[in-house]
Formats: sequence, C-alpha cells, structure tokens
Amino acid sequence: GAVVSQHPSWVICKSGTSVKIECRSLDFQATTMFWYRQFPKQSLMLMATSNEGSKATYEQGVEKDKFLINHASLTLSTLTVTSAHPEDSSFYICSAHEIGNTIYFGEGSWLTVV
Amino acid sequence: EDQVTQSPEALRLQEGESSSLNCSYTVSGLRGLFWYRQDPGKGPEFLFTLYSAGEEKEKERLKATLTKKESFLHITAPKPEDSATYLCAVQGAQKLVFGQGTRLTINP
Repeated sequence: GAVVSQHPSWVICKSGTSVKIECRSLDFQATTMFWYRQFPKQSLMLMATSNEGSKATYEQGVEKDKFLINHASLTLSTLTVTSAHPEDSSFYICSAHEIGNTIYFGEGSWLTVV
Repeated sequence: EDQVTQSPEALRLQEGESSSLNCSYTVSGLRGLFWYRQDPGKGPEFLFTLYSAGEEKEKERLKATLTKKESFLHITAPKPEDSATYLCAVQGAQKLVFGQGTRLTINP
C-alpha cells in the first residue's frame, strides 16, 4: 500500500538554529501534502497545506516565516523550522493525498529544541 | 465551518467486549470521512475511507459505517493490541478536519 516517509524521526537542535524535516510519498505522486503539529494527548493541528509548484497555504496563527514549507516535487515536501526555540518542540506529522484515493500520514518527527 | 466531534473521549473495555465509537460531523460537501488509528508517538495509520451515507467497510475486528451526520467505528471482540487512539476526520473543500479522538484501552 501507499507509504509516506518522514525524516528524521527524532531531532534535537540548539535554540536559534534551523532544522529541516522531509516528507516523501514513496510509491505515489502527491500534488498536495499537509503539515500538522500535535501536542501530547491532543489531536492534530493543521499548520499548512503544501501544493507542488506553488506557495504553501498557512493556517491562521501559523508564522509562515518561521515554518518554511517547500513542495519541490510530486513526492517531496519539506518543513524548515527557522530560528527554533524551546516552544517549537513538538511532534510534527505530514500527510500526502493520493489523487483518487486516500490521505496517508508519515510516521511523525519529534523535534526537541534545547 | 466544518466540525468533527468524537465520543467518548476515552473508553475502557475488557478483552472481548464489543463496543462502538462515534464521530459526528458537519461539513460542506463531504469528499470523504476517514478513520485512523494512532499509537503513542507515531503518525496516524489509515483504516478506512467512507464516501457516502450507507457505506460500510470492514477490516478484521473493525467495521466503519456512515450516515449523513455521523460515523461509527464498531469494534468486535477487541484484543489488547487494539488499544490506541482512534481519530475521525472529514474532508470538505480541501483540508482534513480532525476530531479530538477516542482513547481506547482494552484490558486483558
């Protein structure tokens, strides 16, 4: 079946640095990918919708200059957390929409900013 | 505005005790209703997509049904490994809108 892969699964970075998370659809092409953030014991919070070849659409309250999203190809979207701070520590999850089919999620990436 | 409400928030069952999880929704132009299972610290795992009222899908001990206002996830004779958070989401114009989830615990 369709698989979405995220990398890295875990990352620790120093405050003030930037970190990139990759989301790949492994056996299908995804014109649309979504990025979520999840806090402990809460549901997924949509951050932005990533469209291949165009600018991402950010949800209200999400800083586009802080969370840079690039959908470079039909199988790859990246989320870069710039100038990370401890409050950015969270579980980040991507999903990819297989056209005519369903929406699959990656395994998630744990970000810890120290 | 699209909305999804799941109930109960948490459910504890004994192994073998069947039950149902509820997902009530309002959406403009339903393109799909999705059920996912999420284990702690992992991404959601796809279970089912339902597209129209009256549709039903089954997978092992799980069965999902859909009406115009709600969806049920029925679990029959559950096992401890079915313990997880079950998420319901609806897709309207574009994005998925998630419910808060139901944390299901199956005691041996």
